[in-house]
Formats: sequence, structure tokens, C-alpha cells
Amino acid sequence: DGGITQSPKYLFRKEGQNVTLSCEQNLNHDAMYWYRQDPGQGLRLIYYSQIVNDFQKGDIAEGYSVSREKKESFPLTVTSAQKNPTAFYLCASSMWRNNEQFFGPGTRLTVL
Amino acid sequence: GDSVTQMEGPVTLSEEACLTINCTYTATGYPSLFWYVQYPGEGLQLLLKATKADDKGSNKGFEATYRKETTSFHLEKGSVQVSDSAVYFCALSDSTGTYKYIFGTGTRLKVLA
Repeated sequence: DGGITQSPKYLFRKEGQNVTLSCEQNLNHDAMYWYRQDPGQGLRLIYYSQIVNDFQKGDIAEGYSVSREKKESFPLTVTSAQKNPTAFYLCASSMWRNNEQFFGPGTRLTVL
Repeated sequence: GDSVTQMEGPVTLSEEACLTINCTYTATGYPSLFWYVQYPGEGLQLLLKATKADDKGSNKGFEATYRKETTSFHLEKGSVQVSDSAVYFCALSDSTGTYKYIFGTGTRLKVLA
């Protein structure tokens, strides 16, 4: 089955540690996105990538980093510089110039 | 910049009641409009979409019409079920060609048996 996988589903880290969230898709989509969701709020865009080896900052990129070395993969690193990293993180993908986005199941990160 | 405003929840309804969740937008161009649904602890699923004015999106008994004159895309369902309990997000695609999404804050729907 084609789709987007995110792992792990739950992640716990100590304050001050970097952590990397995985996102993989087998839909052959060109574009991939990372969003952050906080309780009672909509989704906010962290980073997005239209093609391999290229990515752009979204609205809340500070304290995060990404890479896009392969079309299928778009990992997100939450660095120790992110002031309030505890949140639900969602990855999405789409065909470029087809603006329907497909979402993964999400990773809930808790920083202790 | 572009923005989306959704009615605040939670919305609590009895089974078989009618549902309307309001969504209005501001955009400088001609965005596509979407409704997504999120069940507890899960990612978002596309419920329906409309890509131009007067288009009606529909799926699973839900529908919404792209109204350019009122800049609205209200979600409606004639008879809700307990299984419709979820959070509903209205979104638009960025009208400047980057295809980024702008989301509303979400509306929680609870349907009681």
C-alpha cells in the first residue's frame, strides 16, 4: 500500500538533546512538508521541500533542521535551540503543482 | 497575507442532527480550498476539496461550496453520526504558486448517541 510513514509514534527526550523524526513516503511525490500541531491550534508549517536537495523554511523554522537527500525521505531534526519542542509533528507530501497534500500518522514528541 | 478563519468549537450535536461548520478565508489570488478531518491521535485525512469558485466538494455525506462572493467554504452534513466525532480543519492552498497550505485552527465535533 502506498502511503506516508512516520516513526516513532511517541518519542520522549530530555531537554537539551537533539532528536530526529523520520518521514518516508512511497507515493512518488515530489514535495514534502513538516507541520507542528499544538493543542487547540491549527497546523503550522516548519519546512517544505519541492525537490531533492532543496528545501525552504516555513513559518516556524527556528530550532529545526531538515534534509532531503532522497525523494522518499524528509527527516526533521528538533534541535536544543527549539524553545518549546513538545508537540505533535505531522509530515505530508504532494505531487508538485497538484496541491492536494497527504498526511502521515504523526509523531508525538515530549521533552522532559 | 492569506488566512483562514474557522468557527470555534467544540460543537456538540445529537446523532442525526444537521451540521454546519463555518469557514471563511482571505486570499489575494485564487486558492484551492480543503476540508480535512483528524481522528484522535491520528494524522489528517482529506475530506473534500474545491479548486474554483462555485465548485462543490462532497464526500461521505459532507459537502462544501466554494463561494467567492462571500469568501466562504462552510462544511455541511445533513445527518451526523457518532463516528463523525473528530476535529475538522479548513485549509487553503497558497495562492502565490508555492502550494503551501494555510490552516484554520480546527473545530472539534462531538456527536452524542
